[in-house]
Amino acid sequence: AQKITQTQPGMFVQEKEAVTLDCTYDTSDPSYGLFWYKQPSSGEMIFLIYQGSYDQQNATEGRYSLNFQKARKSANLVISASQLGDSAMYFCAMREPKVMGNMLTFGGGTRLMVKP
Amino acid sequence: DAGITQSPRHKVTETGTPVTLRCHQTENHRYMYWYRQDPGHGLRLIHYSYGVKDTDKGEVSDGYSVSRSKTEDFLLTLESATSSQTSVYFCAISESGGPYEQYFGPGTRLTVT
Repeated sequence: AQKITQTQPGMFVQEKEAVTLDCTYDTSDPSYGLFWYKQPSSGEMIFLIYQGSYDQQNATEGRYSLNFQKARKSANLVISASQLGDSAMYFCAMREPKVMGNMLTFGGGTRLMVKP
Repeated sequence: DAGITQSPRHKVTETGTPVTLRCHQTENHRYMYWYRQDPGHGLRLIHYSYGVKDTDKGEVSDGYSVSRSKTEDFLLTLESATSSQTSVYFCAISESGGPYEQYFGPGTRLTVT
């Protein structure tokens, strides 16, 4: 079974509008971390936001927020006021402390395209 | 930005030749990782290290070996490169073993002809 599922291979959003990128995860470990990374066309992996499984509040970092619904095992990324520079691949990832040196397990990614 | 460099950034090599990729960090982080990124597969873990001379296999370790003789350096070796190892290789570092973020290097694009 997939541990991280991103069901939207590609999405368009109009500049200045908000967009939600979906991510669902599967784990039986009560302690885990959820991450979002951005990969622009230049190829680097940029860390955006982190949510711990015990965190009571949704994480926010500037225009990025993580809509964490633990019971539904969902960790959607919300980007407010989209900018042209937000066009990129976005990866959701999970880290479980007891799995292979705390490796990150990645979803397949969502390509976001921001229209002017 | 986390101080992580990878060398080389691009390499083309022939099938059957050995190849070594280097990851260097200036953050003194304990954990280091090698991932590969392929279309349709996202990023997958090859090997990781949890300290000097302490390494272990990841999900896709066949055909790869690693070494870590110093905290700051983590080497990935393809003993005899194959075309299936054409990929983009990312090094990542993490400060601790808990559910904390990993920071990635810029990547190495390897082509095996």
